[in-house]
Amino acid sequence: AQSVTQPDIHITVSEGASLELRCNYSYGATPYLFWYVQSPGQGLQLLLKYFSGDTLVQGIKGFEAEFKRSQSSFNLRKPSVHWSDAAEYFCAVGYTDKLIFGTGTRLQVFP
Amino acid sequence: EAGVTQFPSHSVIEKGQTVTLRCDPISGHDNLYWYRRVMGKEIKFLLHFVKESKQDESGMPNNRFLAERTGGTYSTLKVQPAELEDSGVYFCASSQNSGGNTDTQYFGPGTRLTVL
Repeated sequence: AQSVTQPDIHITVSEGASLELRCNYSYGATPYLFWYVQSPGQGLQLLLKYFSGDTLVQGIKGFEAEFKRSQSSFNLRKPSVHWSDAAEYFCAVGYTDKLIFGTGTRLQVFP
Repeated sequence: EAGVTQFPSHSVIEKGQTVTLRCDPISGHDNLYWYRRVMGKEIKFLLHFVKESKQDESGMPNNRFLAERTGGTYSTLKVQPAELEDSGVYFCASSQNSGGNTDTQYFGPGTRLTVL
């Protein structure tokens, strides 16, 4: 069955530090993968998506993610975190007409 | 361009009451989706409209939930009667293209429903 796992429920980093949020998926075919972010009081905003081609995809707000088929992973990275990045991050896989989400990772940023 | 809007932002009701949530998609988007996140769990798909037709309602939990999209514009999701386990955040999303798994879905801010 299709599923997405985000192993880290909560991550805390210092401002300026690098960030990696983990995402593993289970999907029988070529996955279509997404990362969304939800800031307080806001809707889910698409950060980036992977459909095919280059396995390193660039997104908005300085984020990038790397698709690794051998590891069934699609980890999100940012080289230097800003306080405004504090939010909840969701990884998702597209399946037929729907998105299947992970449980989310809440990011806290300390000054 | 206005994004997906949802009303109300919060709703607190008692068990057994009825609540209706509304979603206005991005103008021109034929596809409209409802999702729900129960506390601490993942965001789960409820159903998908293409224009006014229900394309996929496989995620609807039971017959206490009724979704409509008259005229293919805004959508409502009614819960009647509400139970405690219906508490959560209800998200609406819309997309422009085919409604398939490569579509970018644009999400609203959600409606937080609390059933007491």
